[in-house]
Amino acid sequence: EDQVTQSPEALRLQEGESSSLNCSYTVSGLRGLFWYRQDPGKGPEFLFTLYSAGEEKEKERLKATLTKKESFLHITAPKPEDSATYLCAVHPVSNTGKLIFGQGTTLQVKP
Amino acid sequence: NAGVTQTPKFQVLKTGQSMTLQCAQDMNHEYMSWYRQDPGMGLRLIHYSVGAGITDQGEVPNGYNVSRSTTEDFPLRLLSAAPSQTSVYFCASHPSGLNYGYTFGSGTRLTVV
Repeated sequence: EDQVTQSPEALRLQEGESSSLNCSYTVSGLRGLFWYRQDPGKGPEFLFTLYSAGEEKEKERLKATLTKKESFLHITAPKPEDSATYLCAVHPVSNTGKLIFGQGTTLQVKP
Repeated sequence: NAGVTQTPKFQVLKTGQSMTLQCAQDMNHEYMSWYRQDPGMGLRLIHYSVGAGITDQGEVPNGYNVSRSTTEDFPLRLLSAAPSQTSVYFCASHPSGLNYGYTFGSGTRLTVV
């Protein structure tokens, strides 16, 4: 069964304190892995697509990496505006139009 | 571009009532889908469409109906609302390529009393 598990569920950081969020996945065949950011009361906002093991993508203070079993979202020197819920999702090869989401990690960055 | 537009933003229904959640996209995306988001459950797929006239069921389709007569619109119908359908509903669209992921609407918060 295709499955995505994110950890931790919640993370509190001080401004400037770097950390990583984990996304472990089990899928019969991976077409792509996505990271999204979701602010309260809003829809998920696309951050990255990763396609194959070893791939890395960066955007400002965020860097996403991918292995055959998991993905990490590294947050370097976070700021309070990085506070949000970060969602990981996989798009299996066998399904079109179907994303399988993890439950998300809620990040709070305190000044 | 407006992206994905969902209406209404909030809705309260009585048990047994029916309603349609609207979703429209202006990006000419082939694929559209509906998800519901519940605390502790994450986002779960309800129905999806790979093009006009083609729809299929997702993980939690019971109690919902969809149709796709145009590329732009993908309405979600609740046939007879139940309290278990209280949730936040998101519509999403994407093209055949995944470089820019799925584009999500801002959601409809539905309460069934």
